[in-house]
Amino acid sequence: GENVEQHPSTLSVQEGDSAVIKCTYSDSASNYFPWYKQELGKGPQLIIDIRSNVGEKKDQRIAVTLNKTAKHFSLHITETQPEDSAVYFCAPRRSYKLIFGSGTRLLVRP
Amino acid sequence: GAGVSQTPSNKVTEKGKYVELRCDPISGHTALYWYRQSLGQGPEFLIYFQGTGAADDSGLPNDRFFAVRPEGSVSTLKIQRTERGDSAVYLCASSLGVGKTSYNEQFFGPGTRLTVL
Repeated sequence: GENVEQHPSTLSVQEGDSAVIKCTYSDSASNYFPWYKQELGKGPQLIIDIRSNVGEKKDQRIAVTLNKTAKHFSLHITETQPEDSAVYFCAPRRSYKLIFGSGTRLLVRP
Repeated sequence: GAGVSQTPSNKVTEKGKYVELRCDPISGHTALYWYRQSLGQGPEFLIYFQGTGAADDSGLPNDRFFAVRPEGSVSTLKIQRTERGDSAVYLCASSLGVGKTSYNEQFFGPGTRLTVL
C-alpha cells in the first residue's frame, strides 16, 4: 500500500524563523498534495494544497513545493508566530482517500 | 456557515459494549468520510460514502465496525463488542463530491474521543 513519511517528527523554532517540513510518498499515481494543521482537540484543517501539474504554490507566509520525480513535497512557513504551533500532516492522494503522514509537531518559541 | 459536527465529543464505555458515533456533514456535501486517529498518529481512512451508499469500506478494521448514511446526510459509525484497542479519536469529514478529476477539499469535524475501559 501507499507509504507516507514525514520529517522531522518534531520541530522547535524561534518566533520569526522559518520552518520546513518534508513529506515523501510512494504512490506515483498521487496527484493531489495537501497539508493539514491540527490544533489540540480539533480536526485537521487544510492550510495549503498543490496539484500534480504545479511545482510551487504560495499563500502569504506558507508555501508548498512539489518534486514529483523524487516523490516528495514540502511545507514552508516563514516568519513563524506562536499561533503556528500545532501538528502538521501531509496527506497525498490520488482519488478520494487521504493517506496521512505521522505528523510533525511544530513549536514556535516566543 | 456551519461546519462538520460530531456527537458526542467524548464517549467512555466498557469493554464489550456497543457504541454509536454521529456525524453531521456540511449541508449539500454528498461525500462523507470516516477516519480513525490513534494517539500520536495521523488519521487513518475507514470508510467513504457517496450519497447513501458506502463506496469504499476497505479501511474498516473488522466486522465489529459498521457505518450507515440512510438519507445521504447524517452518518452513524457503529462499533459492536468494543475492545480497548478501539480507543481513539474518530474523525468525520465531508466534501462537495468526488470525481475522476475532482480535488474537492475534505472538511473535518472535531472528532469523537472514544475511550474503552
